[in-house]
Amino acid sequence: QKEVEQNSGPLSVPEGAIASLNCTYSDRGSQSFFWYRQYSGKSPELIMFIYSNGDKEDGRFTAQLNKASQYVSLLIRDSQPSDSATYLCAVLGGGGADGLTFGKGTHLIIQP
Amino acid sequence: DAGITQSPRYKITETGRQVTLMCHQTWSHSYMFWYRQDLGHGLRLIYYSAAADITDKGEVPDGYVVSRSKTENFPLTLESATRSQTSVYFCASSDRGIGNTIYFGEGSWLTVV
Repeated sequence: QKEVEQNSGPLSVPEGAIASLNCTYSDRGSQSFFWYRQYSGKSPELIMFIYSNGDKEDGRFTAQLNKASQYVSLLIRDSQPSDSATYLCAVLGGGGADGLTFGKGTHLIIQP
Repeated sequence: DAGITQSPRYKITETGRQVTLMCHQTWSHSYMFWYRQDLGHGLRLIYYSAAADITDKGEVPDGYVVSRSKTENFPLTLESATRSQTSVYFCASSDRGIGNTIYFGEGSWLTVV
């Protein structure tokens, strides 16, 4: 059983600070790693993906991957109230055939 | 560009009734997925399809049936709805390019009473 673990939160961060979201996964054969943002009552939307060890930056967002530790994180710089949402970590397993496995999500609150 | 559309968006049905949730995508993506999302469980894969006429079970397939006669459509049928199938259902698709990203439809809120 592939597992993706996230702290459910809520994680409360002051506006303008860096929000750090973490995720661990159980399948060592996992290939690709995704961060989705989901606003209440809406569908998940892709923020970014990463498949190589190290950091990947896209605007205010940085994804970090450490396959040896089976750990992936998302940093949000200069956090804005509009970043308040649930952030879902998702993993594509080895072979890539059976869709993404999602964590339960971390609820992030940016305090103005 | 419509992307993925789901219908109905909201439905209330009775226990034992058959319900079909429709999913249509305009991107010609080869892969399509059905997920359900519940508090405490997150998103769980019900069924997926790699191409027309090819479907496979996900994590929670019991009580559901899918078909894919055309690439663009992937309906999900609850043969005899139960209260435990009250959930939000998301259809998704992927072309398996660019990191195998999948894209979600807007969701179908189903209540079984």
